[in-house]
Amino acid sequence: LAKTTQPISMDSYEGQEVNITCSHNNIATNDYITWYQQFPSQGPRFIIQGYKTKVTNEVASLFIPADRKSSTLSLPRVSLSDTAVYYCLVGDMNSGGYQKVTFGTGTKLQVIP
Amino acid sequence: DAGVIQSPRHEVTEMGQEVTLRCKPISGHDYLFWYRQTMMRGLELLIYFNNNVPIDDSGMPEDRFSAKMPNASFSTLKIQPSEPRDSAVYFCASSSRGFDTEAFFGQGTRLTVV
Repeated sequence: LAKTTQPISMDSYEGQEVNITCSHNNIATNDYITWYQQFPSQGPRFIIQGYKTKVTNEVASLFIPADRKSSTLSLPRVSLSDTAVYYCLVGDMNSGGYQKVTFGTGTKLQVIP
Repeated sequence: DAGVIQSPRHEVTEMGQEVTLRCKPISGHDYLFWYRQTMMRGLELLIYFNNNVPIDDSGMPEDRFSAKMPNASFSTLKIQPSEPRDSAVYFCASSSRGFDTEAFFGQGTRLTVV
């Protein structure tokens, strides 16, 4: 089973770049890596997804090394509104053989003025 | 599209009562997911549907929980009878291609069983 390990929490000052690393040593060949953001009292919101190398969109970048055993979400120049919990997900197979994803504990990012 | 719509937003009920949570997925999405979030256990996948058919319900905690999707635009999660330990936020999400693509979550239903 592919599991993810992330730091429980991180603090950053406004305007800085934040990098959150996720370990997924047992990632399967066909698994994608997906990151979600969750604000209090809201559902998770998709940020970015990738399979290998680097992916960039308007809000973040995702760096995936060749062995794919980890990934790093990079948030450029964070603001107070980026304070949230960030989840790293990879594909998972439950006992029935069906693919699913597992949300880990997430990383609580606190942006400081 | 208005996104995934869940109702009610908040539900308070007494132990032993039946609770029904409702979800309207995004039109055109073939996959629908029900999640539960608690402080202790985080976000857990309860069940998911593909084209209205339940594919994996291994996350449903007990027989007291049941879910249906009678058509492409509506799903329910029912708890009967409810217990205090069922108190949680229940999220519904939908996607176009399953787990390897972006899932859109609703605002959630905060359930309190007293």
